[in-house]
Amino acid sequence: GENVEQHPSTLSVQEGDSAVIKCTYSDSASNYFPWYKQELGKRPQLIIDIRSNVGEKKDQRIAVTLNKTAKHFSLHITETQPEDSAVYFCAARSIRDDKIIFGKGTRLHILP
Amino acid sequence: ETGVTQSPTHLIKTRGQQVTLRCSSQSGHNTVSWYQQALGQGPQFIFQYYREEENGRGNFPPRFSGLQFPNYSSELNVNALELDDSALYLCASSLQPSDYTGELFFGEGSRLTVL
Repeated sequence: GENVEQHPSTLSVQEGDSAVIKCTYSDSASNYFPWYKQELGKRPQLIIDIRSNVGEKKDQRIAVTLNKTAKHFSLHITETQPEDSAVYFCAARSIRDDKIIFGKGTRLHILP
Repeated sequence: ETGVTQSPTHLIKTRGQQVTLRCSSQSGHNTVSWYQQALGQGPQFIFQYYREEENGRGNFPPRFSGLQFPNYSSELNVNALELDDSALYLCASSLQPSDYTGELFFGEGSRLTVL
């Protein structure tokens, strides 16, 4: 089955700087890659997603890139703000079984 | 549009007991997925129900079982509870098939503590 690896597990960046979180997946049949943000004590919420027929997608300060050949995808947050502090999860969905499998998460700290 | 709701929000059980967690899916959704999230970890896929049938299962033993009802709400049952079952149990609903996105909408979770 699908396996998703995510790193780093913890990331601290100065407010205003950029943050990058990287994930790899194992199943070449995966075709959908969402990113979720989970604030302390709250439910995970989708922040951006990308399908396998697209190499990059942007939404304001957030962008995701996908390299299907290397089976890795990344989340980029520019001009970070205090409210970006949270745990971020990458995930992948395979057409073999339709399951969405999550990485272990990255705790992002935005330093003042 | 009604969001995903879960009950109970918190519960405490002892080893060997059984627990049932409930989830009401978002209006218009036909699929419910259950995840276990241990402290500091990512959500681990337990199983998924589509139109009342299980259509995917993660690496969880048979004492984890579920149901989906005609109104697409769902239950997660765990028998013979173990200490390691202590976690946040997240339910997520989605609409499938859906041009292969099937965005998950999560509930707030049920936090289970096993003593």
